[in-house]
Amino acid sequence: QQQVKQSPQSLIVQKGGISIINCAYENTAFDYFPWYQQFPGKGPALLIAIRPDVSEKKEGRFTISFNKSAKQFSLHIMDSQPGDSATYFCAARCCGSRLTFGEGTQLTVNP
Amino acid sequence: DTGVSQDPRHKITKRGQNVTFRCDPISEHNRLYWYRQTLGQGPEFLTYFQNEAQLEKSRLLSDRFSAERPKGSFSTLEIQRTEQGDSAMYLCASTQGGRFDEQYFGPGTRLTVT
Repeated sequence: QQQVKQSPQSLIVQKGGISIINCAYENTAFDYFPWYQQFPGKGPALLIAIRPDVSEKKEGRFTISFNKSAKQFSLHIMDSQPGDSATYFCAARCCGSRLTFGEGTQLTVNP
Repeated sequence: DTGVSQDPRHKITKRGQNVTFRCDPISEHNRLYWYRQTLGQGPEFLTYFQNEAQLEKSRLLSDRFSAERPKGSFSTLEIQRTEQGDSAMYLCASTQGGRFDEQYFGPGTRLTVT
């Protein structure tokens, strides 16, 4: 059962633009929401994460917005750079255990 | 290097053969996770260990799959009688444990079953 839905599947932005990736979840027991960045042939790398008692978290150019009532969260990448071109995965975790991942968004930042 | 390491990075095997992968977690991380990732998909949970105890297994983990973490440090994942559908990236992650701590992933082992 797909418990975390991610959109869009692919995204193309110009250098300096804002990249926005959205995720929605069903399980209200989820208590931790990380975002991972993955380059081809590499393992996922943790980018930023948020807890449900916070509505926004910012680290450098990366911001997570969280809407608990809507069961949605999103990643914003400000001033997108060609080096940000990668696949991004949202994830959610319940009860200190496994991560459930979205299907991924392939981001391309054109120079 | 203080990250999660996995060995081998690539494995090509013929259908029906057995394969074993190894994961070395970040030092002092007591939780270790195995995930499987197929092309174009997000990682899917297989199993996890708290120290040497295997606490949870996914329905994806058929009886051909077995995982161990004998001394609570490194872990092995064995696939017996491999099938073409087993072709995937096998990822290992580790954490210190606790409610909100992060899972750090290794580079993965790419398995190709011919």
